[in-house]
Amino acid sequence: NAGVTQTPKFQVLKTGQSMTLQCAQDMNHNSMYWYRQDPGMGLRLIYYSASEGTTDKGEVPNGYNVSRLNKREFSLRLESAAPSQTSVYFCASTPRQGGQHFGDGTRLSIL
Amino acid sequence: QKEVEQNSGPLSVPEGAIASLNCTYSDRGSQSFFWYRQYSGKSPELIMFIYSNGDKEDGRFTAQLNKASQYVSLLIRDSQPSDSATYLCAVQGGADGLTFGKGTHLIIQP
Repeated sequence: NAGVTQTPKFQVLKTGQSMTLQCAQDMNHNSMYWYRQDPGMGLRLIYYSASEGTTDKGEVPNGYNVSRLNKREFSLRLESAAPSQTSVYFCASTPRQGGQHFGDGTRLSIL
Repeated sequence: QKEVEQNSGPLSVPEGAIASLNCTYSDRGSQSFFWYRQYSGKSPELIMFIYSNGDKEDGRFTAQLNKASQYVSLLIRDSQPSDSATYLCAVQGGADGLTFGKGTHLIIQP
């Protein structure tokens, strides 16, 4: 039972570089989410996808793009990384009822 | 803007006692309420969810919901050192993601 799998687990980027964070779930959940977690700020929603083929902005979408590639996969892209995007990124998925299941996170540092 | 408020703590509780964690929320339309536990450096782990007013019990954990007061609480009975973590309250109003509080840091003293 893999649940929600995120790659990579750690990444260091230079300002201006781009990268894509990958997320896949094997629980047949329709809805998937990307959050960032910063000290003192809690978890904040970046983007979500209520079903395959749809995506919507969350609380802090600026500087990010997402792709719901299929039902299993939901990726988050940073086109031009900025130091303010240094954070821990969590992907989550949810069944129709019940709470969200989180991946192990990606720790991203931007220099 | 939806807000979820929690006391950041730390909340220190002796081993074997009851730990009481509280949370208030601003959006009266919120329908689902969740408690997550997060150990340092780890991802949030779902402990309880509750939809209806009243109490819901699961082992040593009890979630309490009062929609009129916009108040959610989590009780941990017979607290153990392994319960030491940050507890996140979260609410959901629809198909969008959860709104999280900033968490309460709980310390169980042996």
